[in-house]
Amino acid sequence: QVQLVQSGAEVKKPGASVRLSCKASGYTLTNNHMHWVRQAPGQGLEWIGIVTPSNGATSYAQKFRGRVTMTRDTSTSTVYMDLSSLSSEDTALYYCAREGIGIESWGWFDSWGPGTLVTVSS
Amino acid sequence: QSALTQPPSVSGSPGQSVTISCTGTSSDVGNYNRVSWYQQPPGTAPKLLLYDVTNRPSGVPDRFSGSKSANTASLTISGLQAEDEADYYCTSYTTSNTYVFGTGTKVTVL
Repeated sequence: QVQLVQSGAEVKKPGASVRLSCKASGYTLTNNHMHWVRQAPGQGLEWIGIVTPSNGATSYAQKFRGRVTMTRDTSTSTVYMDLSSLSSEDTALYYCAREGIGIESWGWFDSWGPGTLVTVSS
Repeated sequence: QSALTQPPSVSGSPGQSVTISCTGTSSDVGNYNRVSWYQQPPGTAPKLLLYDVTNRPSGVPDRFSGSKSANTASLTISGLQAEDEADYYCTSYTTSNTYVFGTGTKVTVL
């Protein structure tokens, strides 16, 4: 079965960077896009961006461009998200989510990781 | 890209039906049928409920249904059950090659 295992919780100071990982199993990483979504405490879901594991292509939400980078390592079936210039507003639970695919169908998130809590505090 | 607009909360008694709206623009909901819905009980990761506006993944009860008209998509829960109490989010692909989530709706079963 599809499983997404995310890295452990992080505590960072303002201005720092963080690298999160998401290891996929139960399917071939390069067959599906992978998205990153975050959820601040008590708030809604926010889309951050997408990485295409087969070729490394990315697309990011305007809000994060310039300080987010998504990459992948196909040898370990892992995708990464680097987020820089952290502020308290980046305190959130960060999810990786696999994009589902079907016949002429795409753009939905069919499997989610458990999330990684990132806390930004001085 | 502004978040899609959902009502903050809806409620209903067991057995009733509730509908959650998801209003976007001609750059997202109105331009594509790439609208999906997610259920998120407290303290858990979101779960896919519907994709491509109306399609249910295997395992999702047919009490959950979707529709779309112009810039507004809707999720209807028929025969409301206590286990349906959760937060619900819509999302849509956009003309900017990005995705946008709705503001979220808390469903309360009275």
